[in-house]
Amino acid sequence: EADIYQTPRYLVIGTGKKITLECSQTMGHDKMYWYQQDPGMELHLIHYSYGVNSTEKGDLSSESTVSRIRTEHFPLTLESARPSHTSQYLCASSEYSGSGANVLTFGAGSRLTVL
Amino acid sequence: GQQLNQSPQSMFIQEGEDVSMNCTSSSIFNTWLWYKQDPGEGPVLLIALYKAGELTSNGRLTAQFGITRKDSFLNISASIPSDVGIYFCAGRGPLGGTASKLTFGTGTRLQVTL
Repeated sequence: EADIYQTPRYLVIGTGKKITLECSQTMGHDKMYWYQQDPGMELHLIHYSYGVNSTEKGDLSSESTVSRIRTEHFPLTLESARPSHTSQYLCASSEYSGSGANVLTFGAGSRLTVL
Repeated sequence: GQQLNQSPQSMFIQEGEDVSMNCTSSSIFNTWLWYKQDPGEGPVLLIALYKAGELTSNGRLTAQFGITRKDSFLNISASIPSDVGIYFCAGRGPLGGTASKLTFGTGTRLQVTL
């Protein structure tokens, strides 16, 4: 059963629209992440957060932004979507310390298509 | 930065066959994880390894943390059709600080024929 939820699962929108991808987790994890993945390809970290009011850029540059106002919620926003943003976006969370800090639990993903 | 090379990139096998895939790093890792991703879903953790030389099983799956700390392999015994998917290795090096950022491999796509 999923303890990390992403909505929408699928989104098709036109160029220039603002979109927000939602991610919520019920595990009380401090750390959350956003990865971008093209179909069948490797995962690239675009944002992460250590906790409330903490956000950092990942290894892959992205025009998206994130916020972390509540522990359980880590939304990703694109102010003006473009076709180059078409991809799958995966949210994940992990514990802050101990062996669990290395184990990410992923959501089912949000597949975004920008026309 | 750290790089993970995963091989093979893809494989077609027959049901009942054993499968082996591996992951190599250009630098030392202190954690290895193996994930499986089904089409249209997020990756799901299969096995976590925390010590060099560690051998861990999860049902038909067995994974090992290489002695050099630069590699890991995953074996699947007696494959079945539901083993189809993409298998990703992921590792965390000793210089992660508090970030715990993982580096993901390029993936091995497994297809099982009857």
